Amino acid sequence: KQEVTQIPAALSVPEGENLVLNCSFTDSAIYNLQWFRQDPGKGLTSLLLIQSSQREQTSGRLNASLDKSSGRSTLYIAASQPGDSATYLCAVMGSNYQLIWGAGTKLIIKP
Amino acid sequence: DAGVIQSPRHEVTEMGQEVTLRCKPISGHNSLFWYRQTMMRGLELLIYFNNNVPIDDSGMPEDRFSAKMPNASFSTLKIQPSEPRDSAVYFCASHGPLTGDEQFFGPGTRLTVL
Repeated sequence: KQEVTQIPAALSVPEGENLVLNCSFTDSAIYNLQWFRQDPGKGLTSLLLIQSSQREQTSGRLNASLDKSSGRSTLYIAASQPGDSATYLCAVMGSNYQLIWGAGTKLIIKP
Repeated sequence: DAGVIQSPRHEVTEMGQEVTLRCKPISGHNSLFWYRQTMMRGLELLIYFNNNVPIDDSGMPEDRFSAKMPNASFSTLKIQPSEPRDSAVYFCASHGPLTGDEQFFGPGTRLTVL
């Protein structure tokens, strides 16, 4: 059974710092891995999607990597801003199109 | 496009009452997913439909939960009777043949059962 773990559960850093969020999964037979952002009381916004055959994806200040063999993904945020404060969720998709979710990392960027 | 639309946004009801949550997927999307988010269990897939047909409902917690998709533009998730432990945020998401593997989420319905 696939399990997804995110570390740390919470992170608070000063504005301007580069930071890394971690995601690990137990079954390497994934179809893709996705990173989402959730603002308090809001829905989920897809940030990056990495197919199982890919190693990384980039969007603006965000870079996500995938190492399927070791069951790990990282989300790198460059030059963090207070507007980046949110909960970041990692989810892996199996061949049945079901997303299995991590518990999230709550990120606070201090001005 | 308005995105995935869910109603109501907030629902407060008493234990034992029937609750119906509604979802309108993005036009042209042919897959629809219902998720539940709680502090204790995080996000869980309840059921998903493809071309209006339920494909996997193994995540539906009990017989009190039922979901329908009578047509491509509308789905309901019903809880009857509701219990306090059903309190959660319920998300609907849709996916289509042109979106790759990306799922688009609605804003969610926050359900509180007293």
